[in-house]
Amino acid sequence: DAKTTQPNSMESNEEEPVHLPCNHSTISGTDYIHWYRQLPSQGPEYVIHGLTSNVNNRMASLAIAEDRKSSTLILHRATLRDAAVYYCILRAPMIYNQGGKLIFGQGTELSVKP
Amino acid sequence: DGGITQSPKYLFRKEGQNVTLSCEQNLNHDAMYWYRQDPGQGLRLIYYSQIVNDFQKGDIAEGYSVSREKKESFPLTVTSAQKNPTAFYLCASSLGTISNQPQHFGDGTRLSIL
Repeated sequence: DAKTTQPNSMESNEEEPVHLPCNHSTISGTDYIHWYRQLPSQGPEYVIHGLTSNVNNRMASLAIAEDRKSSTLILHRATLRDAAVYYCILRAPMIYNQGGKLIFGQGTELSVKP
Repeated sequence: DGGITQSPKYLFRKEGQNVTLSCEQNLNHDAMYWYRQDPGQGLRLIYYSQIVNDFQKGDIAEGYSVSREKKESFPLTVTSAQKNPTAFYLCASSLGTISNQPQHFGDGTRLSIL
């Protein structure tokens, strides 16, 4: 399974943009890049995913490097409710990956200061 | 509102006892998953089901059993053979198992040993 590397923790100020990096140098051409976040004592929440092009949704933006070996999750204006552990996950096609399982690493713990 | 409901939120198990965790979804999703999360760790796959009446073992299936008799329901039984069952259990579902489909999670069941 291809692995991802994320910083253990990051800090941000409220209402400022946050850029959460992820390295995935062994990504294969068919792996999708997914981002989830998890608040304490809750289940993970889907944030965004992409393959090659940058993606935007109401929660965040995903910037994918041209060589796909890294990506960045962008929260445009951090709020206190964005404080969570953010997971960057490579999801392989089902034939290589048990039922499309998500492989969670340690993630980045984001704290947001008022 | 569509979503995934896990119950109970907290569960206590006595030595030698089997317990069953409930997972119900009304998203009309075909695929369902059970993950286990230990403190400070990422999620690990226990079992998954791609369709009704079919399920497959994940990475840590020993000591667990599941059934998938209805599309909406995927209960997990933690048997007495699971020697270290204390963990946070998360159920997820997705439209299918292809790699560009996000998974949606419930709020989890926290299981402890008495």
